[in-house]
Amino acid sequence: KQEVTQIPAALSVPEGENLVLNCSFTDSAIYNLQWFRQDPGKGLTSLLLIQSSQREQTSGRLNASLDKSSGRSTLYIAASQPGDSATYLCAVPYSTDSWGKLQFGAGTQVVVTP
Amino acid sequence: NAGVMQNPRHLVRRRGQEARLRCSPMKGHSHVYWYRQLPEEGLKFMVYLQKENIIDESGMPKERFSAEFPKEGPSILRIQQVVRGDSAAYFCASSRQGYEQYFGPGTRLTVT
Repeated sequence: KQEVTQIPAALSVPEGENLVLNCSFTDSAIYNLQWFRQDPGKGLTSLLLIQSSQREQTSGRLNASLDKSSGRSTLYIAASQPGDSATYLCAVPYSTDSWGKLQFGAGTQVVVTP
Repeated sequence: NAGVMQNPRHLVRRRGQEARLRCSPMKGHSHVYWYRQLPEEGLKFMVYLQKENIIDESGMPKERFSAEFPKEGPSILRIQQVVRGDSAAYFCASSRQGYEQYFGPGTRLTVT
């Protein structure tokens, strides 16, 4: 059974600092890994998807790395802004047979102070 | 290019009533997923559907919950005889096969 853990649970940084969010998963035979952002009372916004054959994926100030052998992914957000304040979630398919069923971590709640 | 649409956004039901939640996937997406987020808990998978087929319902409660994705029209998540423990945010996502899932804004169900 796939289990996903996100550390830390909460993070507060001053504006301009880089953010480093961690995600670990127990079964390295993943199909892909997806990072999301959730604002309070809102839905999820897909940030990045990394296929199992990729080592990293970049979009603007966001960069996500994937190390399947160690069961880890890291989301880097450069030069943080107050608008980056949100909960960040990572998710992986439950198994290679259940690629549509995403298993989510509990999330990292980020606060960027002006 | 509209995203995933869910309605209603907020739904209030009394105990024992039925709740119907609707989800229209993004254009070109034929895969629909439902997730539930209970208060102070993480997102949990409920069911995965394609047109007219249930692919994986391993996360659905055994009783009172059902889902469909008909050939025409939106996907429907139906909860019969709601109880207070059903109060949660219900999210729908859609995708093309094997690609990233895009989520709707959610339906927040409150059972009084």
